[in-house]
Amino acid sequence: SQTIHQWPATLVQPVGSPLSLECTVEGTSNPNLYWYRQAAGRGLQLLFYSVGIGQISSEVPQNLSASRPQDRQFILSSKKLLLSDSGFYLCAWSGPLNTEAFFGQGTRLTVV
Amino acid sequence: LAKTTQPISMDSYEGQEVNITCSHNNIATNDYITWYQQFPSQGPRFIIQGYKTKVTNEVASLFIPADRKSSTLSLPRVSLSDTAVYYCLTGLLSGNTPLVFGKGTRLSVIA
Repeated sequence: SQTIHQWPATLVQPVGSPLSLECTVEGTSNPNLYWYRQAAGRGLQLLFYSVGIGQISSEVPQNLSASRPQDRQFILSSKKLLLSDSGFYLCAWSGPLNTEAFFGQGTRLTVV
Repeated sequence: LAKTTQPISMDSYEGQEVNITCSHNNIATNDYITWYQQFPSQGPRFIIQGYKTKVTNEVASLFIPADRKSSTLSLPRVSLSDTAVYYCLTGLLSGNTPLVFGKGTRLSVIA
């Protein structure tokens, strides 16, 4: 069966520090991969979307970047975090037709 | 993707049927309608998906009128554990179309 791993679960980082969140998927090939952010009490904001290795679509201009170095690995990064980067970050994958998306457990990032 | 509009919040008592309506006036001919459920501090979970008329599974029913400009998620006999945010999405079942979530409807079930 397919599983998605996302880590760490919680993270507290100072302003100006770098960020690296990793997401891996097991049990499937060539998944569509997503990074979302959810501010407290708000909806999900799509940040990045990838249909294959090295193919990244950015949905929102921001202080973040994403990379997909391997088929089932999706990394969210920042060179210098801002206070406004705080939030709940979710990685997700779906099959080729995007019929259903499966989410990781999320990373709660607090920038202080 | 067609823009969707849902009520921001709803309250219900345990044991009642809850209907959450989503408007998608600009839905395209080939778009499907999908609903997700999200509990606090968790990622959303797929509930149900449909194209037209009625779809039912073990969790919910989805009613889609003939013009497809709206859809209604029906949760039978809700319990406290159904308290969550419910999202309505529309879009092609295509790998080139990313899944975009709106603000959702916050359902609070009261004992």
